[in-house]
Amino acid sequence: QQQVKQSPQSLIVQKGGISIINCAYENTAFDYFPWYQQFPGKGPALLIAIRPDVSEKKEGRFTISFNKSAKQFSLHIMDSQPGDSATYFCAASLTGNQFYFGTGTSLTVIP
Amino acid sequence: DTAVSQTPKYLVTQMGNDKSIKCEQNLGHDTMYWYKQDSKKFLKIMFSYNNKELIINETVPNRFSPKSPDKAHLNLHINSLELGDSAVYFCASSQSYRRTSYNEQFFGPGTRLTVL
Repeated sequence: QQQVKQSPQSLIVQKGGISIINCAYENTAFDYFPWYQQFPGKGPALLIAIRPDVSEKKEGRFTISFNKSAKQFSLHIMDSQPGDSATYFCAASLTGNQFYFGTGTSLTVIP
Repeated sequence: DTAVSQTPKYLVTQMGNDKSIKCEQNLGHDTMYWYKQDSKKFLKIMFSYNNKELIINETVPNRFSPKSPDKAHLNLHINSLELGDSAVYFCASSQSYRRTSYNEQFFGPGTRLTVL
């Protein structure tokens, strides 16, 4: 059973555009929602994360929007750049213990 | 000075063989993990150890056996390898699974296992 559902599976965006990736979860006990970025041949690396008591978190061009009532959260990448081309994973966890990852979104930013 | 390192990076072997993947972290973390990433890039946790003690053991065939000689190392041994074991295996570590605040996981570079 997929604990975290992620969409779209792949995304193509023009340079300078906005990339949006969505995730949904079922378990209301989750209390930590990180996003990981993975480049080909590398391990995932933490990009940005949010706790459910906050509706939005912004770090540079990356923003997480969190809707607790809808049990959804999304990653927005503003002014997308070719260097942002990677696979993005959302995740959810309980007090930092077991992590449940989404199925990943392959982002391609066209110059 | 790599934070989480894995060896080997590539592993090609025949069905039925036994192989091991080693993982070491120099971050002083208490908790280490093994993940399997399949061909569709789906990441699934396999095991988690905290200070050498097993805390998560997902539904993984008992052909997979993790070993943690100390809290900086978590090795994965796989017996009787099958075609379906082909995947990329990632080791990760975090400060402590007991923390209630953000608990970032640091991933290794991965080991690509190919079973022929």
